[in-house]
Amino acid sequence: GAVVSQHPSRVICKSGTSVKIECRSLDFQATTMFWYRQFPKKSLMLMATSNEGSKATYEQGVEKDKFLINHASLTLSTLTVTSAHPEDSSFYICSARGRGSSYEQYFGPGTRLTVT
Amino acid sequence: KNQVEQSPQSLIILEGKNCTLQCNYTVSPFSNLRWYKQDTGRGPVSLTIMTFSENTKSNGRYTATLDADTKQSSLHITASQLSDSASYICVVSFLMDSSYKLIFGSGTRLLVRP
Repeated sequence: GAVVSQHPSRVICKSGTSVKIECRSLDFQATTMFWYRQFPKKSLMLMATSNEGSKATYEQGVEKDKFLINHASLTLSTLTVTSAHPEDSSFYICSARGRGSSYEQYFGPGTRLTVT
Repeated sequence: KNQVEQSPQSLIILEGKNCTLQCNYTVSPFSNLRWYKQDTGRGPVSLTIMTFSENTKSNGRYTATLDADTKQSSLHITASQLSDSASYICVVSFLMDSSYKLIFGSGTRLLVRP
């Protein structure tokens, strides 16, 4: 199956700093990428959807100025958590859907963010 | 309201035993139903995807069923192994505004003991 990677897998940062998470589709062109957040023992919550070359669409309650999403190419999307706060500590997972694929989404391995 | 409910919330079984996980959904218009396995600290991995016309689909020791009339699905795991310990998530896809959306269930946490 298609492969989606995330980097880093784990990151610890101090309050007030910004941290960038990368999501790459390794063997296909991802026209749409999704960013999810997952709390312990809970299911995935969609944060935003991004189409290559256009602005991301954020879900209700997600601050677009805090969670900056860039989908500049067909293989790379980035999520930047700005002015990180301990409550931003979570597991962030990206997912990608390819060109012509009407419904198949491939998930990345996730990034564990801890804000101290 | 589009919803996906899974049961049980958690399950403990002995290695080698079989188990069945349940998923009920109220999603419309239905596109497809997927089962994912998520190991702790990892992203979800697809096990099966079923469209409206498919009643059953197997992937090794995993067999998923779908009853589109009653809007129920099950995931049966045969001859469980310790590596089956994970969360199993039922996800239903529907079409809205010309794009496919996913509704996630809360998952069933399975623990297989030796």
